[in-house]
Amino acid sequence: RKEVEQDPGPFNVPEGATVAFNCTYSNSASQSFFWYRQDCRKEPKLLMSVYSSGNEDGRFTAQLNRASQYISLLIRDSKLSDSATYLCVVTPGRGQNFVFGPGTRLSVLP
Amino acid sequence: EAQVTQNPRYLITVTGKKLTVTCSQNMNHEYMSWYRQDPGLGLRQIYYSMNVEVTDKGDVPEGYKVSRKEKRNFPLILESPSPNQTSLYFCASRGTVSYNSPLHFGNGTRLTVT
Repeated sequence: RKEVEQDPGPFNVPEGATVAFNCTYSNSASQSFFWYRQDCRKEPKLLMSVYSSGNEDGRFTAQLNRASQYISLLIRDSKLSDSATYLCVVTPGRGQNFVFGPGTRLSVLP
Repeated sequence: EAQVTQNPRYLITVTGKKLTVTCSQNMNHEYMSWYRQDPGLGLRQIYYSMNVEVTDKGDVPEGYKVSRKEKRNFPLILESPSPNQTSLYFCASRGTVSYNSPLHFGNGTRLTVT
C-alpha cells in the first residue's frame, strides 16, 4: 500500500460547482498535513495546512480525520483558475521527509 | 522577497558530463531537500539536509550527490548523468521551529540527458 493515496481523477467540473478530494495516509505517526496545488510544469505551492479541528480559507475547506487516517479538501464555487493538480502531503513531524500523494487533476470548465 | 532560487531553469547535457544544479534560500531555513518529478511517479525525494554539514538520503539517491556547506545553499551534483536522470527537479526548504511549517519550493529545473 502506498504511503499516501489520492482520488485518481481527473475531475472535470463546470464553473461554480463544488468538488471534494480525498486522501488517505498509512503512517499513523504522521503529524503534519498539507494541501498543495501544482500548475502544469510549475512548482507546487502551498494551498493550506490541515489542522485537527478542520480549517477554512475562503472557498477552500480542509478536514482531517486521524482515526481513519483521512484528509479531505472541499472547493466551493469553482473558478477556472482552480484548474490544477492538487497534492496531498503528509509528514511524520518536524524536519522529517514530506511524503507526497500522486495528485488529483482538476479541470474547471466554462 | 522570501524565496528559493534554483539555477538553471533548463539544462540539456550529454551522458557522463558532470553538472551541478544550484539551490539557494533566503529564509534562514534549516531544512532543505531535493525532489524529482516524473510522469506517473509523482514527487520523489532525492536527498535532504537537516542543517549545515548534515545530509541524508531520500528515496532515490542513486546517481546524485549533495553538499551543505552553508545554511542557504544546497547544490545537487550529478557526477555522471545518465538518460534516466532526465526529469523535472525541485529544491525546497522549510523552517523547523514548528512541526507544521510547510515546504517552500524553487521554480524547478528541467534536465534532459541525451
